[in-house]
Amino acid sequence: DAEITQSPRHKITETGRQVTLACHQTWNHNNMFWYRQDLGHGLRLIHYSYGVQDTNKGEVSDGYSVSRSNTEDLPLTLESAASSQTSVYFCASSEGQGPQETQYFGPGTRLLVL
Amino acid sequence: AQSVTQLGSHVSVSEGALVLLRCNYSSSVPPYLFWYVQYPNQGLQLLLKYTSAATLVKGINGFEAEFKKSETSFHLTKPSAHMSDAAEYFCAVSDWDMGRRALTFGSGTRLQVQP
Repeated sequence: DAEITQSPRHKITETGRQVTLACHQTWNHNNMFWYRQDLGHGLRLIHYSYGVQDTNKGEVSDGYSVSRSNTEDLPLTLESAASSQTSVYFCASSEGQGPQETQYFGPGTRLLVL
Repeated sequence: AQSVTQLGSHVSVSEGALVLLRCNYSSSVPPYLFWYVQYPNQGLQLLLKYTSAATLVKGINGFEAEFKKSETSFHLTKPSAHMSDAAEYFCAVSDWDMGRRALTFGSGTRLQVQP
C-alpha cells in the first residue's frame, strides 16, 4: 500500500546542532508539506513543495530549510537547533489537483532540543 | 488569507451523548473545509471534507458536519459518543491563494468521553 513515512520517530538533540528529519511518500504526489504542532497552535506550516526543485516558505520557516531532489522525499533540516524548535513535526502530501484535495499525513517526529 | 477558529480547546461528553465540536471559518473565496482527527501518538486522519457538492457532509466513524454559509460555520457532530472517539480534532480550510496551496488549521479541540 502507498504510504508516507517519517524518520526518526523520536529525536533528542542539543542546541546548535544540525538536525535532518526525513519524509518519504510512495503515492507519487506532487505536493509535500512540513508542519509543526505545538499546544494551543494547531499545526503551522513550515515549508512546502509543489514538485522537484520547488520549495516555498510557510508561516514559521525561520531556522528551517528543505530541498526536493525527487518526487518521493522532502527532508526538513534545522540548521542550528534551538529550544524553541522542540515540537512534533508532521509531513504531509497531496496530489495537487485542486483546493479540495486531501492531504495525507505521516505519523510525526517528536523532537526535543536540550 | 483564510483562517479557522475552533471554539473550546477541550470538550467532555458522556458515552452515548451528542458530540458537537465547533468550527468557524473566514475566507475571501468559497471555502473548502476539512475535519481531521488525531489519536494519541499518531498522525492526522481525514474525517470528512466539504467541497461544495452538499452542505451536509458525512464522514467516517459516524461523524458529520454541516456547512452554513450564513454563519460561516462547519461544526462537527456525532449523535452518540463512543469511548473510541476520544482524540484531538482539527478543523482546516484550504488556503489556495497568491500561489500558495496549503491547509490552515485551527488550534484543535480535545474530546474526552466519560464512561
